[in-house]
Amino acid sequence: AQSVTQPDIHITVSEGASLELRCNYSYGATPYLFWYVQSPGQGLQLLLKYFSGDTLVQGIKGFEAEFKRSQSSFNLRKPSVHWSDAAEYFCAVLGSNYKLTFGKGTLLTVNP
Amino acid sequence: ETGVTQTPRHLVMGMTNKKSLKCEQHLGHNAMYWYKQSAKKPLELMFVYNFKEQTENNSVPSRFSPECPNSSHLFLHLHTLQPEDSALYLCASSQASQRGPYNEQFFGPGTRLTVL
Repeated sequence: AQSVTQPDIHITVSEGASLELRCNYSYGATPYLFWYVQSPGQGLQLLLKYFSGDTLVQGIKGFEAEFKRSQSSFNLRKPSVHWSDAAEYFCAVLGSNYKLTFGKGTLLTVNP
Repeated sequence: ETGVTQTPRHLVMGMTNKKSLKCEQHLGHNAMYWYKQSAKKPLELMFVYNFKEQTENNSVPSRFSPECPNSSHLFLHLHTLQPEDSALYLCASSQASQRGPYNEQFFGPGTRLTVL
């Protein structure tokens, strides 16, 4: 069965600083990977996805993620964080039977 | 309306009540999903409907009963719930193909359910 680990429960960064959120996955076949963001009281919004091809994928809001098969990782990055990026971020892997397995999420706080 | 909509956004019910959550997707997708999001727990997949057929029931108690009358609408009927069922219930949809479910899921804003 697939699984996703987000090792950081809570991260605090200053506005303008760079950001990296970690994600490790476990899946037997080629993974289909996603990053979603959730603002308080809202549903999940897709930031980016990896299906195949270029291992560095670009998403919305200036986010990017890099797939590293050797490390079973799909870390999310942003070069300069904005206060509006404060939210909870979820990494997910899509397996068989339409099952999207999520990590527990990383809460991002942005200090002015 | 665009995307995935859910009603009501908030619901408070007693343990003996019967209520229903509604989800509608305006994206032309053919697969729909119910998820439960509880505090301090990962998102849990509850049900999957593919082309209106239920293809997944992730060991959900029978007090939750899904219904998918067409590919655009999904309901979650609730009866005799417990306080621990209080959570955010999220609906999602995606475009499944013959190759498989290899497409992203789009989520609604959720229904915040409180069971007293």
